[in-house]
Amino acid sequence: AQSVSQHNHHVILSEAASLELGCNYSYGGTVNLFWYVQYPGQHLQLLLKYFSGDPLVKGIKGFEAEFIKSKFSFNLRKPSVQWSDTAEYFCAVNARGNNRLAFGKGNQVVVIP
Amino acid sequence: GAVVSQHPSWVICKSGTSVKIECRSLDFQATTMFWYRQFPKQSLMLMATSNEGSKATYEQGVEKDKFLINHASLTLSTLTVTSAHPEDSSFYICSARGRAGPTDTQYFGPGTRLTVL
Repeated sequence: AQSVSQHNHHVILSEAASLELGCNYSYGGTVNLFWYVQYPGQHLQLLLKYFSGDPLVKGIKGFEAEFIKSKFSFNLRKPSVQWSDTAEYFCAVNARGNNRLAFGKGNQVVVIP
Repeated sequence: GAVVSQHPSWVICKSGTSVKIECRSLDFQATTMFWYRQFPKQSLMLMATSNEGSKATYEQGVEKDKFLINHASLTLSTLTVTSAHPEDSSFYICSARGRAGPTDTQYFGPGTRLTVL
């Protein structure tokens, strides 16, 4: 079964700083990759997803993620964060053709104005 | 985007009672719905997958007689926690996926906070 690891559970940074959240998965086959965001008091929302094609995926709110197959990674980036990006970010993976979506433990990101 | 609702958003019940949580896809037909459980400061753990009109598929370690799932229509799935105990207290989240199947996105509900006294 696939598993997902996210490091640095708590991230604190100032506005305008750059953000990068790591995501690594363990599965040898073809995968679909997702980043979800959960703002305080709200439900999970999809930031971006990768199924195939260009490994650099652009999502909403200026986020992007790059799939590096050789590293089994799908890191999330944003060049300049805002206070409103304070949220919890979850990486998720499912094996192609499999229903199960495996989540990482999440990154709690706090942006200080 | 697609909207998934859950009801109730929170519930407090006595030990031994049963609690039903509803999950609805409001503007799309969800052929597959998923139920997750989230513990504080931990990730979402998939409990079961349900396809409309068929029995749910439970993940290993999840008691199907305790967590009853019904997916009677393309827009509604219910999770019933039977004879709830304090250890069942948790945040339960559903998600729904449309007809495109595994290549489609899962849309998540806002979650239901269950507290069993």
